Amino acid sequence: DTAVSQTPKYLVTQMGNDKSIKCEQNLGHDTMYWYKQDSKKFLKIMFSYNNKELIINETVPNRFSPKSPDKAHLNLHINSLELGDSAVYFCASSQGGLAGNEQFFGPGTRLTVL
Amino acid sequence: AQSVAQPEDQVNVAEGNPLTVKCTYSVSGNPYLFWYVQYPNRGLQFLLKYITGDNLVKGSYGFEAEFNKSQTSFHLKKPSALVSDSALYFCAVRDIRSYNTDKLIFGTGTRLQVFP
Repeated sequence: DTAVSQTPKYLVTQMGNDKSIKCEQNLGHDTMYWYKQDSKKFLKIMFSYNNKELIINETVPNRFSPKSPDKAHLNLHINSLELGDSAVYFCASSQGGLAGNEQFFGPGTRLTVL
Repeated sequence: AQSVAQPEDQVNVAEGNPLTVKCTYSVSGNPYLFWYVQYPNRGLQFLLKYITGDNLVKGSYGFEAEFNKSQTSFHLKKPSALVSDSALYFCAVRDIRSYNTDKLIFGTGTRLQVFP
C-alpha cells in the first residue's frame, strides 16, 4: 500500500499550458510539502501545509498554486508553464509538530515543458 | 543563516570497503539532523536522524551516522559497502523556522558509487 502517491508520473506539455499534479498520503500525517528537484538534483522546498493551511511559501512564483482539499491531499496547479519549470516535483508528508519527524516522499512527477 | 554542506559531489568506494559520506551543518541551537537516500528515478527515503541522545545513530540498511557537535558534522558511514548502496545521498537539517512543520534544509547531495 503506497504511503505517498503522486499522479501523473510523467507530464509533457507545451509552454503556456496549465497543468496539475495530485498528491495523496495515507499515513494520517498533518503536514504535506511540495519540492522541486532540478536537473542538477538540487532539492528545493516550495510549500508546506499543515492541516490544510499554508504554512510556508518559499517565494515561489504565483503561477504555482497549491490546494489542500483535506489533510490527506495536496495538489499543485501550475499556470502558464515555462521552460524553467521542467523538473521533478516531489510531494512529501510528515507528522508535523516540533519533534523532528522524518518526511515520507512520493515517487515524483517528471515535468517536461517544451 | 542555517545551512548544510556536503563537500563531495561523488564518493567512490570498492564493494566490501567502509564508506563515509560527509556532512557539516550550520545552525543556531541544537540541530535536528537527517540522512536520506535517493535511488534512480525514485523519491527520497529516510535513512536515519539525530535529535538528541547518543551521538552514534543507527539507521536502515546498515548505515550509521555520528553527530559531532564540536566539528558541526554528521557524517554517514557504513562498515562494508554494497553495490546496491550506489545512490544519491542527502543530508538535511530541520529549519528552526519551520513552525509546526518538519521543514528541512537539504544539502546538495553526494553521489555514492560502489564498484564491484
